Amino acid sequence: RKEVEQDPGPFNVPEGATVAFNCTYSNSASQSFFWYRQDCRKEPKLLMSVYSSGNEDGRFTAQLNRASQYISLLIRDSKLSDSATYLCVVNPETSYDKVIFGPGTSLSVIP
Amino acid sequence: DVKVTQSSRYLVKRTGEKVFLECVQDMDHENMFWYRQDPGLGLRLIYFSYDVKMKEKGDIPEGYSVSREKKERFSLILESASTNQTSMYLCASGPGLGLNEQFFGPGTRLTVL
Repeated sequence: RKEVEQDPGPFNVPEGATVAFNCTYSNSASQSFFWYRQDCRKEPKLLMSVYSSGNEDGRFTAQLNRASQYISLLIRDSKLSDSATYLCVVNPETSYDKVIFGPGTSLSVIP
Repeated sequence: DVKVTQSSRYLVKRTGEKVFLECVQDMDHENMFWYRQDPGLGLRLIYFSYDVKMKEKGDIPEGYSVSREKKERFSLILESASTNQTSMYLCASGPGLGLNEQFFGPGTRLTVL
């Protein structure tokens, strides 16, 4: 089993739709969790951290379920500019900031 | 803003050549990383460094070495390039101290013929 798994998609959704991505991780001792966004032919950039209590940043909501070892990202009112690959990232230990990237989920928002 | 720069955006080399990929960050970050990104495989960690002259193997270190002589610079070396090392190479840096965000450079697309 891979350490971090994501549905690769692609997810093709109309503008204004709500879309959700899930990510599962295998190491139950993992400490911190993130969502990164990668635009086509660009480098990954941090979208948001994921906190145990869940957190929201505008149209984006991240949730963590430690018992089931999954993380989710919800995007409401999708915009064309949300089209990108979303990478789930897990830190299995607290030292060195060494993290594991999931393979990414591709999102296309269609007019 | 944090800036991570990489020496080349595109590079074409021949099999057997020695290849140097350079990465520089300007935020005094402790940690630096080299990844390669391939379709369907995502980002895979090659090597990372948590201090000057310190290095740790990542998940796929074979065929690569690294050098960190100064805090701001982390170099990836392919001693004898092979065609299976054709990939996108991404450098990243991070502040350490449990602050896990990584800042990426723009990447180097390496083609080995």
